[in-house]
Amino acid sequence: GENVEQHPSTLSVQEGDSAVIKCTYSDSASNYFPWYKQELGKRPQLIIDIRSNVGEKKDQRIAVTLNKTAKHFSLHITETQPEDSAVYFCAASNNFGNEKLTFGTGTRLTIIP
Amino acid sequence: KAGVTQTPRYLIKTRGQQVTLSCSPISGHRSVSWYQQTPGQGLQFLFEYFSETQRNKGNFPGRFSGRQFSNSRSEMNVSTLELGDSALYLCASSPNGVGYTDTQYFGPGTRLTVL
Repeated sequence: GENVEQHPSTLSVQEGDSAVIKCTYSDSASNYFPWYKQELGKRPQLIIDIRSNVGEKKDQRIAVTLNKTAKHFSLHITETQPEDSAVYFCAASNNFGNEKLTFGTGTRLTIIP
Repeated sequence: KAGVTQTPRYLIKTRGQQVTLSCSPISGHRSVSWYQQTPGQGLQFLFEYFSETQRNKGNFPGRFSGRQFSNSRSEMNVSTLELGDSALYLCASSPNGVGYTDTQYFGPGTRLTVL
């Protein structure tokens, strides 16, 4: 089955700096890669996703890149703000998000004011 | 549209008991997935239902079961509870049209504590 690894497990950055979280996956059939943000005590919220036919996607301060050959994808947050502090999860699916998501282990991001 | 809802939000049970959790998907969504979240294991896929049929199953013992009703609402049952079953149980719904991206939207979760 699919295996998703996520690094780092914790990340602290100064407010205004950039943060990068990386994930690798094992199943070459995976074709959909969402990122979720989970604040303490709250549900995971989708922040951005990317399909396998796209190499990069941006949404304001957030971007995701995908390297299918190397089977890794990354989340980039620029101009970080205190409200970006949360746990971020990457995930992979082999049916465009239908049916099953395999999650990474999460990255606790702390923005230092 | 109302989001995914789950009931109850909190549960305390003792070992050996059984529990039933409920999930109501976003209106119009036909797929419901269940996940277990623990500090040690992260988010683990339990199973997914579509049109009242279990379509996918994760690597959990048979004590974990579920079902989906004709209105797409889903229930998850855990029998013979063990201490290790203490977790946040999340359900997620998606519209489910085969062949295009379906974002999964999560409910608030049910926090189960087994004593």
